[in-house]
Amino acid sequence: DTGVSQDPRHKITKRGQNVTFRCDPISEHNRLYWYRQTLGQGPEFLTYFQNEAQLEKSRLLSDRFSAERPKGSFSTLEIQRTEQGDSAMYLCASSLVGTSGSNEQFFGPGTRLTVL
Amino acid sequence: RKEVEQDPGPFNVPEGATVAFNCTYSNSASQSFFWYRQDCRKEPKLLMSVYSSGNEDGRFTAQLNRASQYISLLIRDSKLSDSATYLCAVNLHDYKLSFGAGTTVTVRA
Repeated sequence: DTGVSQDPRHKITKRGQNVTFRCDPISEHNRLYWYRQTLGQGPEFLTYFQNEAQLEKSRLLSDRFSAERPKGSFSTLEIQRTEQGDSAMYLCASSLVGTSGSNEQFFGPGTRLTVL
Repeated sequence: RKEVEQDPGPFNVPEGATVAFNCTYSNSASQSFFWYRQDCRKEPKLLMSVYSSGNEDGRFTAQLNRASQYISLLIRDSKLSDSATYLCAVNLHDYKLSFGAGTTVTVRA
């Protein structure tokens, strides 16, 4: 499968624990995005990378959240001291943006986080 | 006002019917527009991009009305497999997508 992959698919944790999610984008894509989706809502933008540079962070991304894309390939999203309000589906997407620049974003299957 | 708004539905239609719904966006500087399909507890899948005057892909037709700031999706000859939530997404600054909350479509036999 050459699409976007995410790991783990499900994570149950206790409040106060740290969690880390991984995303592997489509290999030739230069942009990688993180979104969060809660029940009944559309995905909400969290942050994005162009290659290894993190270029934008949403106000939704509190200081407990950190994302990296160290070599411009896979990315990790870490949540420290999880809270029940962090329970959501965390979606990763990637796109290829160049001179033709359509920015069509393709999503991975998501990591469903439940904080008890 | 939300950046992107959609009628949540649900739209319940019989097989073979035509169903159409809109999505409005608040920022007139929005650059590109997309429709995604999302099945229950799955990821959004890109259905079609909507550029300039719109486009058609098989039974699906998307239109853009910049003057009134909305896009529409029309599904002809509905199939049971078209039952899903349809998410509208708008691209403002060439990176993040702003999504609506989705329109639920249920096609019944």
